[in-house]
Amino acid sequence: EPEVTQTPSHQVTQMGQEVILRCVPISNHLYFYWYRQILGQKVEFLVSFYNNEISEKSEIFDDQFSVERPDGSNFTLKIRSTKLEDSAMYFCASSSSGTGVYTEAFFGQGTRLTVV
Amino acid sequence: RKEVEQDPGPFNVPEGATVAFNCTYSNSASQSFFWYRQDCRKEPKLLMSVYSSGNEDGRFTAQLNRASQYISLLIRDSKLSDSATYLCVVRMFSGGYNKLIFGAGTRLAVHP
Repeated sequence: EPEVTQTPSHQVTQMGQEVILRCVPISNHLYFYWYRQILGQKVEFLVSFYNNEISEKSEIFDDQFSVERPDGSNFTLKIRSTKLEDSAMYFCASSSSGTGVYTEAFFGQGTRLTVV
Repeated sequence: RKEVEQDPGPFNVPEGATVAFNCTYSNSASQSFFWYRQDCRKEPKLLMSVYSSGNEDGRFTAQLNRASQYISLLIRDSKLSDSATYLCVVRMFSGGYNKLIFGAGTRLAVHP
């Protein structure tokens, strides 16, 4: 069964450092998303991406965040200068449609980011 | 008001019990509805979509009441393996594309 893969599974970084979280979406999917989940809290939408541009972003996704699809397979989330409150599980997701009402979004296993 | 509200639980039930989870959503423009399951420190996985007419998948039954903006999930004959957090999820259509809005989840613990 095709799956979304994320690397690394766990990243520890010092406050102020840049991190890049990597995702390989399902190969024929065109819509990509990042969500995050702070420990003990709900899953929150960060950003959606289609056709090499951001289609929507949340209030959380400020200037410190950026996304990129550097080649045909990877989808990355960069945090420029990490803060303690960026510590969370970051989930990448992809779907075959961005407008289909019941189209399933498939989630990767997540990257646990710990900022110290 | 939260966009998607759920009772956080935990619900502690014996094997074989029937348990029901409720969820309310605030935006009447919400397009579609889902229940996801999340195991501890794992990714959310789609359990089932929730259709207007209600739908069933084995031991799981989902209901939607658009007028009351209310969604439910019923689990019959609970198994130990059903222990997880159940996430009520609403799809919103915004800016030409859709995104998922998650509830905080309801924790279920099934014991022998």
